[in-house]
Amino acid sequence: QVQLQESGPGLVKSSETLSLTCTVSGGSISSSSYHWGWIRQPPGKGLEWIGSIYYSGTAFYNMSLKSRVTISVDTSKTQFSLKLISVTAADTAVYFCARQGWGDAYSVIDCWGQGTLVTVSS
Amino acid sequence: QSALTQPASVSGSPGQSITISCTGTSSDVGNYNLVSWYQHHPGKAPKFMIYEVSKRPSGVSNRFSGSKSGHTASLTISGLQAEDEADYYCCSYAGSSTLVFGGGTRLTVL
Repeated sequence: QVQLQESGPGLVKSSETLSLTCTVSGGSISSSSYHWGWIRQPPGKGLEWIGSIYYSGTAFYNMSLKSRVTISVDTSKTQFSLKLISVTAADTAVYFCARQGWGDAYSVIDCWGQGTLVTVSS
Repeated sequence: QSALTQPASVSGSPGQSITISCTGTSSDVGNYNLVSWYQHHPGKAPKFMIYEVSKRPSGVSNRFSGSKSGHTASLTISGLQAEDEADYYCCSYAGSSTLVFGGGTRLTVL
């Protein structure tokens, strides 16, 4: 059974870069059937899709974050990563990594990490 | 890419049925039958409940059902149980390989 685990600093200073990594275990990150995504939830608010990446390296982003976000994949380490630059307090959130389907199943998010809280401090 | 609109909260008594709406636009819900629903107990990972508007993945109770009319998708939970109390989110494909979530609905079982 596929498991995802987020890792990275829980505290980031304002204007700096947020960096998180998701490690995939129990399954292949190079499967052609899935994309690998990042989703966040600010405190007291709803979920927000950040973006996703295919094993080939092709990435897709939420247009509202596109200028600040980069998602990358390292198939040799079975990991994919999120970088968000120029963070502000509004980027404080629980960040989830997740597995999304491919094609018509793109909106199917069938496996999630437990989430990691990242706080942006001034 | 604005968030889909969901009611902030709904409630029902055990055994009753409730419906949660999810309203989008012609750019997302209205244009694609690619709406999914997620159950989220705070502090845990969200759980995938419905996909492609009305399909249930294996292991999800048939008390959960989904539908869509125009720009609005709906999740119905019948025979409410205490363990159904959670936050529920809709999610729609929004074109160009992007997704949009709803703002979430807190379900309270009275």
